[in-house]
Amino acid sequence: AQSVTQLGSHVSVSEGALVLLRCNYSSSVPPYLFWYVQYPNQGLQLLLKYTSAATLVKGINGFEAEFKKSETSFHLTKPSAHMSDAAEYFCAVSEGSGTSYGKLTFGQGTILTVHP
Amino acid sequence: KAGVTQTPRYLIKTRGQQVTLSCSPISGHRSVSWYQQTPGQGLQFLFEYFSETQRNKGNFPGRFSGRQFSNSRSEMNVSTLELGDSALYLCASSLAGLAGAGQYFGAGTRLSVL
Repeated sequence: AQSVTQLGSHVSVSEGALVLLRCNYSSSVPPYLFWYVQYPNQGLQLLLKYTSAATLVKGINGFEAEFKKSETSFHLTKPSAHMSDAAEYFCAVSEGSGTSYGKLTFGQGTILTVHP
Repeated sequence: KAGVTQTPRYLIKTRGQQVTLSCSPISGHRSVSWYQQTPGQGLQFLFEYFSETQRNKGNFPGRFSGRQFSNSRSEMNVSTLELGDSALYLCASSLAGLAGAGQYFGAGTRLSVL
């Protein structure tokens, strides 16, 4: 069975500071990993995905994430926070098996607040 | 290319009623997945359809059902509504529902059950 744990339900940073959102996963097979962002009253937007190519994945809006198998982690970072980054972020996992068609398992989400 | 479209955006129903939600995927996408999002349980997978067939299902009661049409549009139905069914229902599409493809979400339908 697959699962995702996001450490910290709320993260607060100052504008211009480093953003670090933590995600650890559990999967019985090599996973595919994703980060999504959700703005109020909107759906989820795909930020980036890991599909076993490069371990450092670059996404949209300056975000990137590094897959570390030994730590079962896929933390999301951005060097310099912008006010527009304030939103809720979700880490998700999908297992590369036939039983996982169309199924993403999500973490509980991390609300990012950016202070001026 | 148009994104995933969900209608309606908001619904208010009373207990015991039934409701149907609609989802139009991105053009060319044949897989449609449905999720329920609540403050308490977070995002939970309901089911996935591909080529008009349900291929995967989450742990929800039989009151939750869906279908997919030949043009890949999908509908989700909830019968005998309960207060706990109040949630944001999200639809996502992908080319073929494969694990590494990533899914693209609509804005959701917010259902309130009174």
